[in-house]
Amino acid sequence: DSGVTQTPKHLITATGQRVTLRCSPRSGDLSVYWYQQSLDQGLQFLIQYYNGEERAKGNILERFSAQQFPDLHSELNLSSLELGDSALYFCASSVGGTGASNSPLHFGNGTRLTVT
Amino acid sequence: QKEVEQDPGPLSVPEGAIVSLNCTYSNSAFQYFMWYRQYSRKGPELLMYTYSSGNKEDGRFTAQVDKSSKYISLFIRDSQPSDSATYLCAMSAWGDKIIFGKGTRLHILP
Repeated sequence: DSGVTQTPKHLITATGQRVTLRCSPRSGDLSVYWYQQSLDQGLQFLIQYYNGEERAKGNILERFSAQQFPDLHSELNLSSLELGDSALYFCASSVGGTGASNSPLHFGNGTRLTVT
Repeated sequence: QKEVEQDPGPLSVPEGAIVSLNCTYSNSAFQYFMWYRQYSRKGPELLMYTYSSGNKEDGRFTAQVDKSSKYISLFIRDSQPSDSATYLCAMSAWGDKIIFGKGTRLHILP
């Protein structure tokens, strides 16, 4: 068990809808990262928050947004959903804010999103 | 050229064999190298974490980094059916985002 908790495990929704994915990092970790995993693209970095502040941005669409709350949990909001957004969404956490330079990432078990 | 290249497999080997998994990369600034194991329907789990070149051993697992060739390897000795999973290499420069390979699917045949 990595200590990173993601909810829900599965989400099925229709195109055009909006969903929220939630992540609780490991105790003591200040950084939260969001990744999207699909069969053809692999693990794609979306965004990182460190102690409530956005730290780094990757290939995140404008329809997607995230935030990290004072208790350090994070939410990823996906709106105007398209069929192509169907994927596994992973949250990861680490102690520091500089990626692997401080410590490697510890992943949750993901949320499987299906857009129909 | 992609930053990180990894053969997707699948790679099938008999139980007890030595497994060799590899990645190549193009960014000479990468200093931190990781291997993750991912079982079906689970998140990636950190196996090995190394800094710069050299070898690191942990039980049946050995990670090697050759920065001159931009090539990293993971060796699994005495492979077990429970080692069947997807193995992802990952790497980063200091302070930069972590780049993952697409993963190699490994099957250990009993």
